[in-house]
Amino acid sequence: SAVISQKPSRDICQRGTSLTIQCQVDSQVTMMFWYRQQPGQSLTLIATANQGSEATYESGFVIDKFPISRPNLTFSTLTVSNLSPEDSSIYLCSVEDEEWPEAFFGQGTRLTVV
Amino acid sequence: DQQVKQNSPSLSVQEGRISILNCDYTNSMFDYFLWYKKYPAEGPTFLISISSIKDKNEDGRFTVFLNKSAKHLSLHIVPSQPGDSAVYFCAASGASKLTFGTGTRLQVTL
Repeated sequence: SAVISQKPSRDICQRGTSLTIQCQVDSQVTMMFWYRQQPGQSLTLIATANQGSEATYESGFVIDKFPISRPNLTFSTLTVSNLSPEDSSIYLCSVEDEEWPEAFFGQGTRLTVV
Repeated sequence: DQQVKQNSPSLSVQEGRISILNCDYTNSMFDYFLWYKKYPAEGPTFLISISSIKDKNEDGRFTVFLNKSAKHLSLHIVPSQPGDSAVYFCAASGASKLTFGTGTRLQVTL
C-alpha cells in the first residue's frame, strides 16, 4: 500500500489569496487524483493528474481556479486560486493502488476561507 | 445528479450487534464497488470491495452484499465494536474514476 503525505493539514486563508497543497507519495504512481469534500457532502473528484501531461478536470472544475502540477511520479500540487468562503472544504489527494480501484488517500487539507 | 446515494446520514448501534449500512446507485455501468471508513482529521481508508460479477464478499467482521437488479449494496459489520465508530462512504468505480456517496456516520455505543 502507498503512504501519502499531504501538506498542510489545515489552513485559514484570506479571501482573494491562493493556497497550494502538496501531495507526496512514497512510491511511483501513474495517476494521482484530487478531491474536494464540502461540509456534509461526498468526495467530489476535481481532476486527475498524470505525470508529463495536462491534468484532466471534471465538469464544474477549471484549470484557472484549480491549477495542478505533476512534475514527477511521486509528487503533485493543487492550488486553489482566488479564494472565496465557498472554497472552504477538505481537499484530498489520492493515488491508485496496484489493485485498482482500491485507492489510497492522504490525510486531507482542511481549508477555511475568511 | 447524485449517482451514488447513502440515504441514512447516521446510524447508532449497540456494541456486539450488527451494523448495516446501505448504498444505492443509478449508473448500471459501474463495475466495482467499495467501502471506505473515515475518522476525523484523517483521509478515507479502504475497507472492502466487491466486483459487479459477485453478490457477496466477506473479510472478517465485514461483509458487503451487492444486489445488481436493485442497484443496491450494503455493508454488514458484525459484531460491531466501538472502534468502528466513523463515517462510512460507499464508492462506485466506472470510467477509471470513483464516485462517492455522502457518507453514513456510524456510532457504536457501549
